[in-house]
Amino acid sequence: ETGVTQSPTHLIKTRGQQVTLRCSSQSGHNTVSWYQQALGQGPQFIFQYYREEENGRGNFPPRFSGLQFPNYSSELNVNALELDDSALYLCASSPDERGANEQFFGPGTRLTVL
Amino acid sequence: SQKIEQNSEALNIQEGKTATLTCNYTNYSPAYLQWYRQDPGRGPVFLLLIRENEKEKRKERLKVTFDTTLKQSLFHITASQPADSATYLCALDKFVDSSYKLIFGSGTRLLVRP
Repeated sequence: ETGVTQSPTHLIKTRGQQVTLRCSSQSGHNTVSWYQQALGQGPQFIFQYYREEENGRGNFPPRFSGLQFPNYSSELNVNALELDDSALYLCASSPDERGANEQFFGPGTRLTVL
Repeated sequence: SQKIEQNSEALNIQEGKTATLTCNYTNYSPAYLQWYRQDPGRGPVFLLLIRENEKEKRKERLKVTFDTTLKQSLFHITASQPADSATYLCALDKFVDSSYKLIFGSGTRLLVRP
């Protein structure tokens, strides 16, 4: 059984650029959630995808968008990057969307915006 | 709005003692609560889930309590070891767009001295 993987591990961008982060869910999991974790803070919920549809969104602007593919891998896209977008981006998969399940997290992508 | 509070100060204890971490919440009645462990530069790892109708849950050296009257969860690690040193996050469910999503506290860092 393969765990959750994310790519790239680290990324440096400049303000105003766009970035795409990728996540491969754990085998058999149809739900993926994305989180932003600033230094010294807990993960903040960005959005969730269930069977390729967005299934809930946190307090993030529309320039944060996502996709989930038929094989349940997913992407997080961030447009018009701002300095405050610098953070660890985590994806987590779970076996269904109902929520009362443990989430399996990937190792994260460290994004630095200069 | 919903608020989750974990002690931001690190907890520093001697090996062999019991570590007790606190998670308080306000303005919400969660259906369940989860605890995760996070090591530096890595994604959180699920430890325990407790539901609102459960008072206590145990797993090996770990114990979680859930007091819905006090709006508090306590997380205990008995016979602590240096390998238990990490940041511990509590997370509550929140109903977002017709299903439950996880909202995390900012975590408490535990340091176990040999």
